[in-house]
Order: sequence, then structure tokens, then C-alpha cells
Amino acid sequence: AQSVTQPDIHITVSEGASLELRCNYSYGATPYLFWYVQSPGQGLQLLLKYFSGDTLVQGIKGFEAEFKRSQSSFNLRKPSVHWSDAAEYFCAVGVNTDKLIFGTGTRLQVFP
Amino acid sequence: NAGVTQTPKFRVLKTGQSMTLLCAQDMNHEYMYWYRQDPGMGLRLIHYSVGEGTTAKGEVPDGYNVSRLKKQNFLLGLESAAPSQTSVYFCASSYADRGSYGYTFGSGTRLTVV
Repeated sequence: AQSVTQPDIHITVSEGASLELRCNYSYGATPYLFWYVQSPGQGLQLLLKYFSGDTLVQGIKGFEAEFKRSQSSFNLRKPSVHWSDAAEYFCAVGVNTDKLIFGTGTRLQVFP
Repeated sequence: NAGVTQTPKFRVLKTGQSMTLLCAQDMNHEYMYWYRQDPGMGLRLIHYSVGEGTTAKGEVPDGYNVSRLKKQNFLLGLESAAPSQTSVYFCASSYADRGSYGYTFGSGTRLTVV
């Protein structure tokens, strides 16, 4: 069955430090992969997506993610975290033709 | 502003009461979805629709019904609310094909069943 695993429930970083959020997926075909961010009390906003081609994709707010087929991973990175990046981050995989399967999320806390 | 609008934003129900959550989108999206979000469980798909007049079950459909009579609206119904349905409900919409353009989400409905 298709699934998405985000092994880190909660991550804390200092402002200005680099960030990597992990995502592993299980899906038999070529996946469509997404990262979403959810600020407190808000809906989810799309950060970036991967369909095909260049395995390093750029998103909004200075985020990037790298697709590694051999590792079934799609990790999210940012070189320097800002306090406003504190939020919950969700990885998702596109399944068949009509829906996304979400991971359980990683809550990011940023200390000044 | 274009997007996905959910009403109401908050609601408290007593066990056994019924209610309908409304989702409206003005982007001419074919696909619409209802998710519930619970702590530590991420988003779980309740029901979805791939076009006007169609609905399909997701991962956790029990206790919910849906209707898509108009392309722009997707209704989620709870016939007899239970405390286990206390959650935050999100509606989303997308163009066709694996949500390949990504979803647009509403801001959520926080439902408490007492």
C-alpha cells in the first residue's frame, strides 16, 4: 500500500541554522511528491512539488527538496531558517490519478 | 479572492446531532476532497470527488456522507455526530490528474462533539 513516513515528529533549530526535514514514501510507480506547510490555525500551503526531470526542486520561501529514487526519499531543506518558518510541514505523495496521501507531519520550532 | 472557502469555521455539537460542512471553490477545479486532521495522525482522506455528481470513499469514510451537486461545492455531512468525530476538517480542491498541480486548501473547520 502507498504510504508516506516522516520520521521526525518535532524538530527544534536555532534561527539562521540549516534545516532538513525527512520524508520517505512507498509507492510502486513514479511518484508525484509534494511538501506543504501549515501555520498555526491555518490551512496547508504548497511549498514545492516534484513530477519528473531535475531531482532538485525549488519552492517558495527559500525551500528546496531533493528526490532520491534509490532511497525513496524527498527531503526538504533550507540553508538558513527564519523565525517565521516555525510551522508544521507535511510531505505527500500523489496516488493513482486522483488523490494525495499525507505523512503525519513534522513540527518545526525555531529559537532566536 | 479566489480560493477555497469553508463554512462554518467553528462548531460545537452534542452527540447525536447532525450537521453539514460546506466547501466552495471558485477556481473551476474538477477534484475536491475532505480531510480530517488529528494530532499525530496527519491528514486522513474522508471522501473525495472527481467531478460534479461523483463521490468516492477515502481512508476514513465511516460516519460521514458527501454530495457534489454543483461543481463548485462539496458538502460533508455528519448524520449522528460522535465524540470520535471531534477534529479539524479541511477541504481541498485541485485540477485533474493526481492533483498534479497541488491542492488548494481551505482554512479549516474546527468541530467539537460533546
